[in-house]
Amino acid sequence: QKEVEQDPGPLSVPEGAIVSLNCTYSNSAFQYFMWYRQYSRKGPELLMYTYSSGNKEDGRFTAQVDKSSKYISLFIRDSQPSDSATYLCAMSPNTNAGKSTFGDGTTLTVKP
Amino acid sequence: NAGVTQTPKFRVLKTGQSMTLLCAQDMNHEYMYWYRQDPGMGLRLIHYSVGEGTTAKGEVPDGYNVSRLKKQNFLLGLESAAPSQTSVYFCAAGSYGYTFGSGTRLTVV
Repeated sequence: QKEVEQDPGPLSVPEGAIVSLNCTYSNSAFQYFMWYRQYSRKGPELLMYTYSSGNKEDGRFTAQVDKSSKYISLFIRDSQPSDSATYLCAMSPNTNAGKSTFGDGTTLTVKP
Repeated sequence: NAGVTQTPKFRVLKTGQSMTLLCAQDMNHEYMYWYRQDPGMGLRLIHYSVGEGTTAKGEVPDGYNVSRLKKQNFLLGLESAAPSQTSVYFCAAGSYGYTFGSGTRLTVV
């Protein structure tokens, strides 16, 4: 079983919808939780970065971490066609050179 | 600021040939990483470095070598390319949230 599980989708929503992307994990040592966005044929781009539990908001994006359930989420409000991409979750322990473990990614399409 | 720059962007190799992929960062990060990304398999760590002169193996190191002679550069070498090494290679720098390069698309025929 993988340390980080992510539903690969694909996920297709109409423009303006609220999108929920999720990951579960098994390693209780993870303390840092990241979300990356990857457009087709591009490198991943860091979207959100959270330490330990709680919520973090940045514009239309909200990241949630529930360490008791080992579950993290990324919400996108008022989704736009430009949000169409693959979203990767990633997690790191406090040590181990910050080496991240990545989910396989969820592909999102926002239709106009 | 360029962030993380990878060269080349594309390359076709014949089986058995060698090549070196170059990663350069201008952010003064200690940690640098090489990943490969294949359809259905996500990002897999090949090798990483926690500082100048240091390297360590990741999840899939076989067939690859790395060097970090200068803090800003991290080189990935393929000594004898195999078709199984056809992939997209990404370099990254940072401690927890990484900055990635734009990738190198390598095809081994």
